[in-house]
Amino acid sequence: SQTIHQWPATLVQPVGSPLSLECTVEGTSNPNLYWYRQAAGRGLQLLFYSVGIGQISSEVPQNLSASRPQDRQFILSSKKLLLSDSGFYLCAWSRGVRDGYTFGSGTRLTVV
Amino acid sequence: RKEVEQDPGPFNVPEGATVAFNCTYSNSASQSFFWYRQDCRKEPKLLMSVYSSGNEDGRFTAQLNRASQYISLLIRDSKLSDSATYLCVVYSGAGSYQLTFGKGTKLSVIP
Repeated sequence: SQTIHQWPATLVQPVGSPLSLECTVEGTSNPNLYWYRQAAGRGLQLLFYSVGIGQISSEVPQNLSASRPQDRQFILSSKKLLLSDSGFYLCAWSRGVRDGYTFGSGTRLTVV
Repeated sequence: RKEVEQDPGPFNVPEGATVAFNCTYSNSASQSFFWYRQDCRKEPKLLMSVYSSGNEDGRFTAQLNRASQYISLLIRDSKLSDSATYLCVVYSGAGSYQLTFGKGTKLSVIP
């Protein structure tokens, strides 16, 4: 069966520090991968998605970047965090998007 | 018009009640529809897909009205454990790789 792993679960980082969040999927190959952010009391905002190694589509211009160095690995990064980067970051995967996504357990990031 | 719209609630209902949520979508070519459930401070989880003919899973019934572009979710005999935010989700097709999420409807089931 397929599983998705996301870490860390919580993170407190100072303004201006770098960020690296990692997501891996097991039990499937060539998944579509996604990074979402959910700010407190807000809806889900798509940040990036990837349909293959090295292929990254950005939905919102911002302080973040994403990379897909391996088929089942998706990384979200920032060189310098802003206060506004605080939120709940969710990785998701899909085999075929018409079948829906499966989300990882999320990383709650607080920038202080 | 927003792509996927939901009443944010909250809906506060007593245990055992029946509650219904509606959702409207703007893209008439949308192909797939889902309801996700999100518990507080947790990730969204797929509750059920919504099929054209309507479908039922235990106490949950989902319906799709393509002509009016809305989706509904009916929960019968509400349990305390049903308290969560329910997200309406749409796949527009047309080569898109992403789902569009509504902002969710919050349900609180009260003892």
